Amino acid sequence: EAGVAQSPRYKIIEKRQSVAFWCNPISGHATLYWYQQILGQGPKLLIQFQNNGVVDDSQLPKDRFSAERLKGVDSTLKIQPAKLEDSAVYLCASSFDSRSTEQYFGPGTRLTVT
Amino acid sequence: GDSVTQMEGPVTLSEEAFLTINCTYTATGYPSLFWYVQYPGEGLQLLLKATKADDKGSNKGFEATYRKETTSFHLEKGSVQVSDSAVYFCALRGNNAGNMLTFGGGTRLMVKP
Repeated sequence: EAGVAQSPRYKIIEKRQSVAFWCNPISGHATLYWYQQILGQGPKLLIQFQNNGVVDDSQLPKDRFSAERLKGVDSTLKIQPAKLEDSAVYLCASSFDSRSTEQYFGPGTRLTVT
Repeated sequence: GDSVTQMEGPVTLSEEAFLTINCTYTATGYPSLFWYVQYPGEGLQLLLKATKADDKGSNKGFEATYRKETTSFHLEKGSVQVSDSAVYFCALRGNNAGNMLTFGGGTRLMVKP
């Protein structure tokens, strides 16, 4: 069974530029999550999708971050414009449904904003 | 709101030493508790879990017991190996809508041969 795929693995941009991350969850998983992991901290949930609908985006900085999962499969997270404090690893995870106890994580995208 | 507190690292041990990583939590109701591990260059992997009080989760020689009276879920292993070197995260899933995980800050374990 293929795991959660993310791309790119690394990205370096200058502040005020825009960037997009892509995630393809495990086949058949209805629930998809984006987490932000700042160096030395635990992951923090940004947004949760159930199929193509948003379940929780209470911690997503909506003035600069956006995410979509149009067809209920893969997802894109965008930052525009980026700030220095957005430097982090962005993790995508998926689970069979919103009640599943296990979330499966991708390898993450490490973003550096200079 | 929900929160998880872990002991700060790094924790440095010699091979075959006993490991304890402390984890305490704050949550309403009866959360589920998890330990995730992140090996260098890899994504987070579920190590073990416990879904109700007094449950013991175990995997790969690691174990943790859900103690509601002390709101703790300490991770233990009797004899660590160099290959256990990684960052360990304690997490909880509260009784909220959706399936949000709240993570602790992580504890880096370094095992020397």
